[in-house]
Amino acid sequence: GAVVSQHPSRVICKSGTSVKIECRSLDFQATTMFWYRQFPKQSLMLMATSNEGSKATYEQGVEKDKFLINHASLTLSTLTVTSAHPEDSSFYICSASVGATTEDTQYFGPGTRLTVL
Amino acid sequence: AQTVTQSQPEMSVQEAETVTLSCTYDTSESDYYLFWYKQPPSRQMILVIRQEAYKQQNATENRFSVNFQKAAKSFSLKISDSQLGDAAMYFCALYDSGTYKYIFGTGTRLKVLA
Repeated sequence: GAVVSQHPSRVICKSGTSVKIECRSLDFQATTMFWYRQFPKQSLMLMATSNEGSKATYEQGVEKDKFLINHASLTLSTLTVTSAHPEDSSFYICSASVGATTEDTQYFGPGTRLTVL
Repeated sequence: AQTVTQSQPEMSVQEAETVTLSCTYDTSESDYYLFWYKQPPSRQMILVIRQEAYKQQNATENRFSVNFQKAAKSFSLKISDSQLGDAAMYFCALYDSGTYKYIFGTGTRLKVLA
């Protein structure tokens, strides 16, 4: 149980275009989903937290107009990188938790490698 | 501020031997959770073990166990009978019950030598 999928696993796009990454919880309903960014050989950096039906909460320094997050249902959250630039190239990982309780385990998707040319 | 520190960037262990990965943390919360995640070359984050701070008993999952020292704010991971498949990055994480977020350490790369 507790499987999270991400699509696509890899994407290459041209500078200036937008890219959408989907994160789905396959066998549970995720009240809260998280989006992380991971640079090579580094730890995960939390970008934003999204709760179903409400606006995402962005971490300091993350541009909300550039990284659009939508959590339309209890099983789906999307991250759209708008007007992508080469510096947005990175590994993006989502995670999902059943609910924002005091004991929540996060289950991670397999990640999406974004390359902006 | 809550922090998680992993002071060992890289560790090596011989196959079938035991290795301990260190993690220290700082929090003002009395109720919190600690986790160890494994990230193999596939980059998929896999939950290894979790520990509730209110439990004195150390968590164990098969060959993986923790040494949780609450007063010292230490949470080390012991891997027994190491296998080649254990080679990965290991991240220690603190669950912040106030913000519902994970705070990750910088990771320890574990190499398993045949």
